[in-house]
Amino acid sequence: GENVEQHPSTLSVQEGDSAVIKCTYSDSASNYFPWYKQELGKGPQLIIDIRSNVGEKKDQRIAVTLNKTAKHFSLHITETQPEDSAVYFCAASLGGSYIPTFGRGTSLIVHP
Amino acid sequence: EPEVTQTPSHQVTQMGQEVILRCVPISNHLYFYWYRQILGQKVEFLVSFYNNEISEKSEIFDDQFSVERPDGSNFTLKIRSTKLEDSAMYFCADRTDSYTDTQYFGPGTRLTVL
Repeated sequence: GENVEQHPSTLSVQEGDSAVIKCTYSDSASNYFPWYKQELGKGPQLIIDIRSNVGEKKDQRIAVTLNKTAKHFSLHITETQPEDSAVYFCAASLGGSYIPTFGRGTSLIVHP
Repeated sequence: EPEVTQTPSHQVTQMGQEVILRCVPISNHLYFYWYRQILGQKVEFLVSFYNNEISEKSEIFDDQFSVERPDGSNFTLKIRSTKLEDSAMYFCADRTDSYTDTQYFGPGTRLTVL
């Protein structure tokens, strides 16, 4: 089955800095890569996603890049704000299945 | 904006007891899921449900688990005889239809088995 690795497990940045979270996946058939943000006491919320036919996608301060050859994808957050502090999960879905395999999560801490 | 809701937010039970976790998916969404997250670990898929039957389940979803949609709105996860290792956050999620990948997660139920 699919295996998703995520790094780092913890990321501490100063407000205004950029943050990058990286994930790798094992199954080349995976074609959908969502990113979720989980705030304390809440369920994961989708913040951005990318499909395998696209190399990059941007939504305001967040962007995701995908390298199919290397089987890795990354989340980029620019101009971080304290409210960006949360746990971020990457995930990958196999083609034809909508069941995501999650990474272990990255705890992002943005210091004011 | 419509949201997936779950009750209770926290359930404490004795080992061997049955628990039922409840979810109210977003109206008109067709696909339903249960996930669990043991403290500090990955979110893990348990089961998916469509058209009143299980469409896919993981190895975790053994005979102790069952799901149903008893009244067309609620979506429940039952654990027949809880074990200590069932302690986790349980998330319900749903998806609109077969044309979209996005899953919407509920806030979760924290299950503590003593």
